[in-house]
Amino acid sequence: DQQVKQNSPSLSVQEGRISILNCDYTNSMFDYFLWYKKYPAEGPTFLISISSIKDKNEDGRFTVFLNKSAKHLSLHIVPSQPGDSAVYFCAVLTGTASKLTFGTGTRLQVTL
Amino acid sequence: DTGVSQNPRHKITKRGQNVTFRCDPISEHNRLYWYRQTLGQGPEFLTYFQNEAQLEKSRLLSDRFSAERPKGSFSTLEIQRTEQGDSAMYLCASSKGGQGAPEAFFGQGTRLTVV
Repeated sequence: DQQVKQNSPSLSVQEGRISILNCDYTNSMFDYFLWYKKYPAEGPTFLISISSIKDKNEDGRFTVFLNKSAKHLSLHIVPSQPGDSAVYFCAVLTGTASKLTFGTGTRLQVTL
Repeated sequence: DTGVSQNPRHKITKRGQNVTFRCDPISEHNRLYWYRQTLGQGPEFLTYFQNEAQLEKSRLLSDRFSAERPKGSFSTLEIQRTEQGDSAMYLCASSKGGQGAPEAFFGQGTRLTVV
């Protein structure tokens, strides 16, 4: 069973525009939601997280939105830059468990 | 460099051979995780240590896999009698645990190719 789903395998956005990456989850008991960015041949890099008690968290160009009723998470990148081109993974963490469960990723390409 | 360090970065081995990977976590982190990532998938949890204690293992971790974290510092992941299906990126991560921020920080991974 796939607890975290990223239904868009790829996304192409023009430089300077907004990138919106989406993630759906199945378990309402998840406590934390995180986004990681991954370049080829490197490990995932932590970007931003949000607790289940919040609905928005912002860090510079990155904003994560949480819609608990829809079990939906999104990452907004504004403005998008060519260096943002990477694979983005959403991940969930429960308070009682200690592991992250990842989605399958969305490849973002920011074009000039 | 105070990040998570993994060695080697790449390993090519013949089927049936044993391999061992090493992970050095961020020094003040007491939690250490091993994940495996194959093409087109997100990282999948393998096992987790709190200090030197191995507290959880995934069903993905067959009997051929063993992990240790002596003295709660670095960790090793050994795969015995490797199979072609073991080819993957093996990722190590560490986190503070407790009431601190939940995010885990990953190393650059070890790419295993079994031929």
